Amino acid sequence: GAVVSQHPSRVICKSGTSVKIECRSLDFQATTMFWYRQFPKQSLMLMATSNEGSKATYEQGVEKDKFLINHASLTLSTLTVTSAHPEDSSFYICSASRLSLAKNIQYFGAGTRLSVL
Amino acid sequence: GQQVMQIPQYQHVQEGEDFTTYCNSSTTLSNIQWYKQRPGGHPVFLIQLVKSGEVKKQKRLTFQFGEAKKNSSLHITATQTTDVGTYFCAGTATGTASKLTFGTGTRLQVTL
Repeated sequence: GAVVSQHPSRVICKSGTSVKIECRSLDFQATTMFWYRQFPKQSLMLMATSNEGSKATYEQGVEKDKFLINHASLTLSTLTVTSAHPEDSSFYICSASRLSLAKNIQYFGAGTRLSVL
Repeated sequence: GQQVMQIPQYQHVQEGEDFTTYCNSSTTLSNIQWYKQRPGGHPVFLIQLVKSGEVKKQKRLTFQFGEAKKNSSLHITATQTTDVGTYFCAGTATGTASKLTFGTGTRLQVTL
């Protein structure tokens, strides 16, 4: 159980376009979803915390107008990278948790590798 | 802000040797979790420790949570090539609900 699906797994886009990444919890209801960014051989950096039905909480230094997060239901959160530029190229990973499920454990999607040309 | 450091950054061992990674937080943690990320993959949950001084074992892996709840360690006995990957600790600071701060990670390479 506790499967998180993330799509797409890889996307290549032109500079200036917007890219939407979906994160779905397949077999549980996720009260909270998290979005991370990971550069090669580095750790995961939390970008924002998303709660169903409310505005996302962004970490310091993350532009909320650049990285739009929507958590429309208990099983779906989306991250939209608006007007992407080459410096936005990275590995984006979502995770989902449900406190009542198992003590704040986060279950991760497979990640999305974004390349902006 | 909270910082979680891990040492070493990288370790290369021969199969059969032991391996340990250490995790240190700048703040007291309510719990610590460990994740493994294979090359090209995503983090996979290994274990969670909650109690001060707690020790848990999973086959060849031994996890420990420090008495002060600011540090943790992961020890692998007799490494195998399947242990290759990056090991991250991740802590929840007291009073920050579900937010995890990931450690800097330790990349393990195992060769025959």
